Amino acid sequence: LAKTTQPISMDSYEGQEVNITCSHNNIATNDYITWYQQFPSQGPRFIIQGYKTKVTNEVASLFIPADRKSSTLSLPRVSLSDTAVYYCLVGAPYNTDKLIFGTGTRLQVFP
Amino acid sequence: GAVVSQHPSWVICKSGTSVKIECRSLDFQATTMFWYRQFPKQSLMLMATSNEGSKATYEQGVEKDKFLINHASLTLSTLTVTSAHPEDSSFYICSASTGGAGNTIYFGEGSWLTVV
Repeated sequence: LAKTTQPISMDSYEGQEVNITCSHNNIATNDYITWYQQFPSQGPRFIIQGYKTKVTNEVASLFIPADRKSSTLSLPRVSLSDTAVYYCLVGAPYNTDKLIFGTGTRLQVFP
Repeated sequence: GAVVSQHPSWVICKSGTSVKIECRSLDFQATTMFWYRQFPKQSLMLMATSNEGSKATYEQGVEKDKFLINHASLTLSTLTVTSAHPEDSSFYICSASTGGAGNTIYFGEGSWLTVV
């Protein structure tokens, strides 16, 4: 399983775009990249998943360069309610691989 | 997204007793479920992988006789903390895999266990 490295914490202000980068240098060919958001005392919530290039949904975008050794979660115009811990995980969905969580990034959004 | 539900959301039990936590996939069948525990301000720690119809696979350092996992159906896995002690107090979270192409793993809401 590929190990991931993320910044421990980030600060932002309401209305700004936030980009959280995750390094996964030993990502395997069949690994996907998945991002989760976790609020205190809640289970992680799926945000977005991708394999390469760019994926966008109603809440975020995921940018993956050609070498796939890193990925960037982009949150447009954050609000106070986006204050949470964000986890980047890599794994092979076809094998239903267990997800090993890293430290995550604690995002604090200020008014 | 898919829904995974845990019950109870929180439970308090006396030291030495056993407590069961249920994890259900409400709108999909999950051949594989996972159990995590999380201490305050820490990341999730995988405890075991639960496969429907077979024995669970435990991570290193997790006592299988203390944390009993049963995955009797494609929509239900249970975690039983036996002979609970205060140090077992934690936030327990389950997740379920949708399987197949484009597999995604969804998490339950978590269950707070307090052993007094």
